[in-house]
Amino acid sequence: DAKTTQPPSMDCAEGRAANLPCNHSTISGNEYVYWYRQIHSQGPQYIIHGLKNNETNEMASLIITEDRKSSTLILPHATLRDTAVYYCIVRASYDKVIFGPGTSLSVIP
Amino acid sequence: DGGITQSPKYLFRKEGQNVTLSCEQNLNHDAMYWYRQDPGQGLRLIYYSQIVNDFQKGDIAEGYSVSREKKESFPLTVTSAQKNPTAFYLCASSTGQGKIYNEQFFGPGTRLTVL
Repeated sequence: DAKTTQPPSMDCAEGRAANLPCNHSTISGNEYVYWYRQIHSQGPQYIIHGLKNNETNEMASLIITEDRKSSTLILPHATLRDTAVYYCIVRASYDKVIFGPGTSLSVIP
Repeated sequence: DGGITQSPKYLFRKEGQNVTLSCEQNLNHDAMYWYRQDPGQGLRLIYYSQIVNDFQKGDIAEGYSVSREKKESFPLTVTSAQKNPTAFYLCASSTGQGKIYNEQFFGPGTRLTVL
């Protein structure tokens, strides 16, 4: 699995969009980009995934650059409940998943 | 409700004792996983199983053992050989190999403290 790098922490004002970046410069052609988040002392929660195209669901949007070497998770209107650690993972369609330290997002009132 | 259950939420053991952590899922998922998380760190894979009666070592399997006798159950035993067992343990499941959109579903975790 390709390695990812994320900023260790970010702040976002409540109601604003939170844009969380992820670099995955060694991603291979069959690897998907997945995002999970973990609220303190709970299990991680799946958010969204994509391969090449931008994706949107009820939780977030995922923007993947054309060269696929980086991506951005967008939470359109951050709330206090979005305060969590966000993990960016890249993987092919087999089962191992490698979680790095992620980005700790703090949503400020 | 479908999901993954882990019990207990908090577990205390004396040093030198083996302890077994429970993980059960009713999602009909083929694959199950155990991860360990230390404070401020990401998750590290201990063991995973893609099918009943089969499992593979992850990155940090030493001092741990698992079994997969039933599809819905994947218990983890932390043995006395594990040098630093105090950690947060997470179980997860996913649809099987070959499925493209196989995101993992996680349980609530068990916090093990060895005294």
